[in-house]
Amino acid sequence: DGGITQSPKYLFRKEGQNVTLSCEQNLNHDAMYWYRQDPGQGLRLIYYSQIVNDFQKGDIAEGYSVSREKKESFPLTVTSAQKNPTAFYLCASRDLENQPQHFGDGTRLSIL
Amino acid sequence: AQSVAQPEDQVNVAEGNPLTVKCTYSVSGNPYLFWYVQYPNRGLQFLLKYITGDNLVKGSYGFEAEFNKSQTSFHLKKPSALVSDSALYFCAVRMNSGGYQKVTFGTGTKLQVIP
Repeated sequence: DGGITQSPKYLFRKEGQNVTLSCEQNLNHDAMYWYRQDPGQGLRLIYYSQIVNDFQKGDIAEGYSVSREKKESFPLTVTSAQKNPTAFYLCASRDLENQPQHFGDGTRLSIL
Repeated sequence: AQSVAQPEDQVNVAEGNPLTVKCTYSVSGNPYLFWYVQYPNRGLQFLLKYITGDNLVKGSYGFEAEFNKSQTSFHLKKPSALVSDSALYFCAVRMNSGGYQKVTFGTGTKLQVIP
């Protein structure tokens, strides 16, 4: 079945550590997104990529980095500069402009 | 700038009764509108969308939504609620124009269907 796979499902970060969240899709979608979800705040856009080797900052990019070397993959690194990383992180992809986004099942990041 | 408002943090409805989850939006130009549902510790699942055409849009699991341009609303409805409909519902909007336009999500409404 086609879809988006996020791993790991749960992740713990130590102080000063960078961690990388994986997002892989086999939907052949060009556009991919990373969102952060906090209780009561909806989804906030971290980074997005419309095509391979290109990505743009979203509304809350500080403390995060991404790469898009392959169409299928859009990993997100949460760096030590992100002082409040505890959240639920969602990856999504989209085909055409007027189509809905497809979401993975998320990664929950916590601080040790 | 575009925005979405979901005025109710939580909606409670008895099983078998009709349900409405409210959404209003603000966007320059014509909107694309979406409803998604999220179950605990899962990603968002697409329910329905309005792009153009009929104001009443039918979607998955018996849900429908009515686009009202004059009131800038896109309320989600279902004639008869099920306990399994209990979840978090998100409304989203993006502008219908050329080039990249980001999607803005509402803050979500928790639907509780009471047996």
